Amino acid sequence: DTAVSQTPKYLVTQMGNDKSIKCEQNLGHDTMYWYKQDSKKFLKIMFSYNNKELIINETVPNRFSPKSPDKAHLNLHINSLELGDSAVYFCASSRDFGSGETQYFGPGTRLLVL
Amino acid sequence: GQQVMQIPQYQHVQEGEDFTTYCNSSTTLSNIQWYKQRPGGHPVFLIQLVKSGEVKKQKRLTFQFGEAKKNSSLHITATQTTDVGTYFCAGRSSGAGSYQLTFGKGTKLSVIP
Repeated sequence: DTAVSQTPKYLVTQMGNDKSIKCEQNLGHDTMYWYKQDSKKFLKIMFSYNNKELIINETVPNRFSPKSPDKAHLNLHINSLELGDSAVYFCASSRDFGSGETQYFGPGTRLLVL
Repeated sequence: GQQVMQIPQYQHVQEGEDFTTYCNSSTTLSNIQWYKQRPGGHPVFLIQLVKSGEVKKQKRLTFQFGEAKKNSSLHITATQTTDVGTYFCAGRSSGAGSYQLTFGKGTKLSVIP
């Protein structure tokens, strides 16, 4: 019973392509996140949605567009992929957006742009 | 914006030695969380500290939150090979409207058997 799942686990693609990563959580949480982890392991928040509404939108190129069709899903679409987009992308969720909420991470999607 | 600094970036220890990672925030925190990421894995929540001066223990792991709620530490006694991984602190500013959890850059622990 996977709590936070992501697909695909690995994604290898050419520069300029458009790709999507899907995330689903079955924890009944209200808040979901996308993080980017670069080769140096630095975890950086990209987006956060609370009850399908965008609440955090860090300085991320507008080639990245999140979509939350419902509370349990937060997908990430990336247009015109660049070499620098290569990273591990983690989806996470928390019960709500309160200050004490634990974040539960998905297994990650390893994106390699050639 | 809020910054969370973590040192050291890397630590190599002999099995059985102790290990400590330190976390410092540029702003006062409402709480601090610690996560562990095993090689090839994803971050997993370890603990949350909320009160000034709080100390919590999990077996060989001891977590502290500073009196001023701007720094924290994780200490592992007598490391084992299962402790290998990257340890992240993550803090949320206590300012009004502060929603974002900011992660430190992590400390990568290697344990030499």
